Amino acid sequence: NAGVTQTPKFQVLKTGQSMTLQCAQDMNHNSMYWYRQDPGMGLRLIYYSASEGTTDKGEVPNGYNVSRLNKREFSLRLESAAPSQTSVYFCASRTGQTSIYEQYFGPGTRLTVT
Amino acid sequence: ILNVEQSPQSLHVQEGDSTNFTCSFPSSNFYALHWYRWETAKSPEALFVMTLNGDEKKKGRISATLNTKEGYSYLYIKGSQPEDSATYLCAPRGFQKLVFGTGTRLLVSP
Repeated sequence: NAGVTQTPKFQVLKTGQSMTLQCAQDMNHNSMYWYRQDPGMGLRLIYYSASEGTTDKGEVPNGYNVSRLNKREFSLRLESAAPSQTSVYFCASRTGQTSIYEQYFGPGTRLTVT
Repeated sequence: ILNVEQSPQSLHVQEGDSTNFTCSFPSSNFYALHWYRWETAKSPEALFVMTLNGDEKKKGRISATLNTKEGYSYLYIKGSQPEDSATYLCAPRGFQKLVFGTGTRLLVSP
């Protein structure tokens, strides 16, 4: 089992460029999440998908879009990158059972917008 | 949005010292409290999930307690080792979502 995988690991963009961060999990989890991590801010939720076919905004959704392509994959798109979006992005997933809520995290994508 | 506070922000101890950190959160609309361990250059890994007032969990030298009435949780590490060096995150759970604190960064020197 690969767990949660993310691509790319690193990316540098110029202001205004677009890109999609990919996330996939092989644990048959229902729910998937995108977080960003900034110094002194902790992990902040951007978007989440409670189940295939649904997506909801988190704490900091502005400037991002998401797609839950299927049960395995949840992508995060930056349509017009801004320097404020320089961050480390983590994808996470969890089973749908409320009694087992542990979230499993991917290795992260370090994005720099110049 | 839940307001989660963790203290101290960072801690530097010697090998063998015991230490503890605090996580404070609003006690209303509480579902559960999660603790994660996050080593540098790695992904956060779950340590504990606690749901009931008075819950106490233990994993090796690490333990945690929960007080939902007053909205706090303590994480204890007994006899710290260099491999315990990491950032410890707490995250109270609302409906469908975790809200992470900024963490306590622990450094254990040999």
